[in-house]
Amino acid sequence: DSGVTQTPKHLITATGQRVTLRCSPRSGDLSVYWYQQSLDQGLQFLIQYYNGEERAKGNILERFSAQQFPDLHSELNLSSLELGDSALYFCASGQGTENIQYFGAGTRLSVL
Amino acid sequence: EDKVVQSPLSLVVHEGDTVTLNCSYEVTNFRSLLWYKQEKKAPTFLFMLTSSGIEKKSGRLSSILDKKELFSILNITATQTGDSAIYLCAAPNNAGNMLTFGGGTRLMVKP
Repeated sequence: DSGVTQTPKHLITATGQRVTLRCSPRSGDLSVYWYQQSLDQGLQFLIQYYNGEERAKGNILERFSAQQFPDLHSELNLSSLELGDSALYFCASGQGTENIQYFGAGTRLSVL
Repeated sequence: EDKVVQSPLSLVVHEGDTVTLNCSYEVTNFRSLLWYKQEKKAPTFLFMLTSSGIEKKSGRLSSILDKKELFSILNITATQTGDSAIYLCAAPNNAGNMLTFGGGTRLMVKP
């Protein structure tokens, strides 16, 4: 158990809908990272937050957004969902300094 | 753009065999290289290799880093069925805030 908690484990929704994925980092970690894993793309970095502030952006679509709250949990919002958004979404946390990121169990999103 | 490439794509071995997984990287301002094991879902951290720590070992798993040739290998000796997983290597970017992952090596260990 990495100590990173993600909910929900599975999400099934329809095209055009909006969903929110939630992540609680390990105790003491200030950084939260979001990744998308699909069969054809592998693990792709989406966005990082550090102590409530956005720090880095990767290949994140404009339809996607994230935030980190004062208690350090983070949410990833995906809107106007398309079939191609079906993937595993991982949250990771870390100190932000020594580069090791610890991953949660992921949320499997299925867009039908 | 940072790049991490793993080989082979997949590997099937029998219990007791030794395997070597490869990872080559091209990153701006190398900081470290990380290995993860992904079974059902979450990638779990195995090793981090840096300029000052180019060899790591934990039980039957070991890893080395060749900074000159820009690659790393992960060795697993006396493989067990529980070693079956996807093994991922990753490198952080210059700012240390995002990991670029390789495509992974899928290892299957048969009884």
